[in-house]
Amino acid sequence: QSVLTQPPSASGTPGQRVTISCSGAGSNIDSTTVNWYQQFPGAAPKVIIYSTNQRPSGVPDRFSGSKSGTSASLAIGGLQSEDEANYYCAAWLDTLNGWVFGGGTKLTVL
Amino acid sequence: QVQLVQSGAEVKKPGASVKVSCKTSGYTFSNYDINWVRQATGQGLEWMGWMNPNSGNAGYAQKFQGRVSMTRNTSTGTAYMELSSLRSEDTAVYYCARLPLWGLPFWGQGTLVTVSS
Repeated sequence: QSVLTQPPSASGTPGQRVTISCSGAGSNIDSTTVNWYQQFPGAAPKVIIYSTNQRPSGVPDRFSGSKSGTSASLAIGGLQSEDEANYYCAAWLDTLNGWVFGGGTKLTVL
Repeated sequence: QVQLVQSGAEVKKPGASVKVSCKTSGYTFSNYDINWVRQATGQGLEWMGWMNPNSGNAGYAQKFQGRVSMTRNTSTGTAYMELSSLRSEDTAVYYCARLPLWGLPFWGQGTLVTVSS
């Protein structure tokens, strides 16, 4: 069981806005950094959001990250079929002196 | 550009050890910790530990303590992760990654380690 809780699945139709949550209840992620990764089968994770709300060069601005209290969120606007992938949140926890990952959310574009 | 290039796939027998390398380039090796993360087939990402290339100090996830060792060669900018007493459950893709607390992460391409008799 992951310290960070994500819904195992999410879905949306093309053009919709989808939000994926990452709950760190009891883990105090409100004062730490959160990264979001997109992963396709057989490929390495690709960072799409780092430092909670920063987008690397080349990542469309349809992707955005935010944090409130003990939860973080990844929002994907204008959903496209190419967004169908697994998404993982990750946070650094001082209490563990290490990184923790959410269990991952499989996003399906209907 | 920042690159982390890992060694090739390994097949090991139960009880053996494996050592995976991660050669870095494009930045000052000593300035960023190297982390190791693994992923079993069809499963999520699992953080294993970090290593400070400057001091050589390392911190490991409790699950792997006593069985993992993270080291480095500062002259070549290469980090290493050695896992001992391998069992079938250790079959996974192992990634090295530069994961600054505040900053852009970079990952290696992954190394498949298969543990099978």
